[in-house]
Amino acid sequence: DADVTQTPRNRITKTGKRIMLECSQTKGHDRMYWYRQDPGLGLRLIYYSFDVKDINKGEISDGYSVSRQAQAKFSLSLESAIPNQTALYFCATSPRPGANTGELFFGEGSRLTVL
Amino acid sequence: DAKTTQPPSMDCAEGRAANLPCNHSTISGNEYVYWYRQIHSQGPQYIIHGLKNNETNEMASLIITEDRKSSTLILPHATLRDTAVYYCIVREGGASSASKIIFGSGTRLSIRP
Repeated sequence: DADVTQTPRNRITKTGKRIMLECSQTKGHDRMYWYRQDPGLGLRLIYYSFDVKDINKGEISDGYSVSRQAQAKFSLSLESAIPNQTALYFCATSPRPGANTGELFFGEGSRLTVL
Repeated sequence: DAKTTQPPSMDCAEGRAANLPCNHSTISGNEYVYWYRQIHSQGPQYIIHGLKNNETNEMASLIITEDRKSSTLILPHATLRDTAVYYCIVREGGASSASKIIFGSGTRLSIRP
């Protein structure tokens, strides 16, 4: 089983619909992240959380919200989806960085298409 | 977080060493250099990281210049499976670091047979 699990893996929806992407992890990490990737581009940070109840905006948070329900769960919501939110979404976790840690562990991605 | 600059694409012959450069001229003293790669549309995979000294693991070697303004990731014997987008990132270390992790556009490495 994957250490970082994203659901759903693929989703097609219509403009205006509310969508939730879920992420759960079994790594015991404090820190969790949501990234978005568009074709041919790198990853852009949407939101991140360093602990339960801690939520921080990333580069492109407009149109998105998140919830950190527990240490192991971090959900991304699109309240009213629009076509330019069509993208590949990745959840990631990391331990608190130390002298030799801090690497990110990624889920397998959730492909969202908004028609 | 400091910005990094990487060439958009490179290619390398199978079996040869692949050397991927990264410029990070504004890196600060407590920032580490991390490398990740992304194969097709999979989640990025950690490769290696370092602060000042050169580092080597089973996947690659990382060479950081003395002034720390640039680094090179070396894949010693590239294979077709190394075809991927490679990302160079700088971020703070330390247990109290609150730095977020920002990815750039990376370098698309193509390994030719």
